[in-house]
Amino acid sequence: NAGVTQTPKFRILKIGQSMTLQCTQDMNHNYMYWYRQDPGMGLKLIYYSVGAGITDKGEVPNGYNVSRSTTEDFPLRLELAAPSQTSVYFCASKFRDREEQYFGPGTRLTVT
Amino acid sequence: QQQVKQSPQSLIVQKGGISIINCAYENTAFDYFPWYQQFPGKGPALLIAIRPDVSEKKEGRFTISFNKSAKQFSLHIMDSQPGDSATYFCAASYSGAGSYQLTFGKGTKLSVIP
Repeated sequence: NAGVTQTPKFRILKIGQSMTLQCTQDMNHNYMYWYRQDPGMGLKLIYYSVGAGITDKGEVPNGYNVSRSTTEDFPLRLELAAPSQTSVYFCASKFRDREEQYFGPGTRLTVT
Repeated sequence: QQQVKQSPQSLIVQKGGISIINCAYENTAFDYFPWYQQFPGKGPALLIAIRPDVSEKKEGRFTISFNKSAKQFSLHIMDSQPGDSATYFCAASYSGAGSYQLTFGKGTKLSVIP
């Protein structure tokens, strides 16, 4: 049982490039979330999903897209990377009837 | 608009001392208040959580105190240890929204010195 896994751990992008951050959970959780963490700013919700095929925007969705074709996977897509997207990205998941969110180890992204 | 305000930003406590971190919220619809602990290079992990129907919850050396009328809650770490050195985040969520999305405070970096 690996929990929530994220790849890659680190990535450097040039402005305008695109990439997909991968998130997989093996706990059969219904809900999945993407957060970004900036220094001194806490975590802010980008997108979330309450089940396969269902996604919705969080607090800071601009510049990102998501999809949820399976229960296990919730990839985050950056289409045109900008320096403002330099951050640490965390994926999290939880059961429908439980409050606790389980976080992955994060992806540190730098856009230059 | 920041819905959960956390203080202090950083905290230095001697080993064996009490660490206290405070949070205040604005949205009275919030009904779940967790504290997350994050070590460098790791994702946050749930430490302890409380619902507004109780005023205090204790788990080992960690206690949440909750004041519904003041819209405040705090984390107390008794007998603080160097291994407690981490960043702590308070958060809040509203189950009625269906998403259970967490609103986080900005975090407190705790350093416990020997």
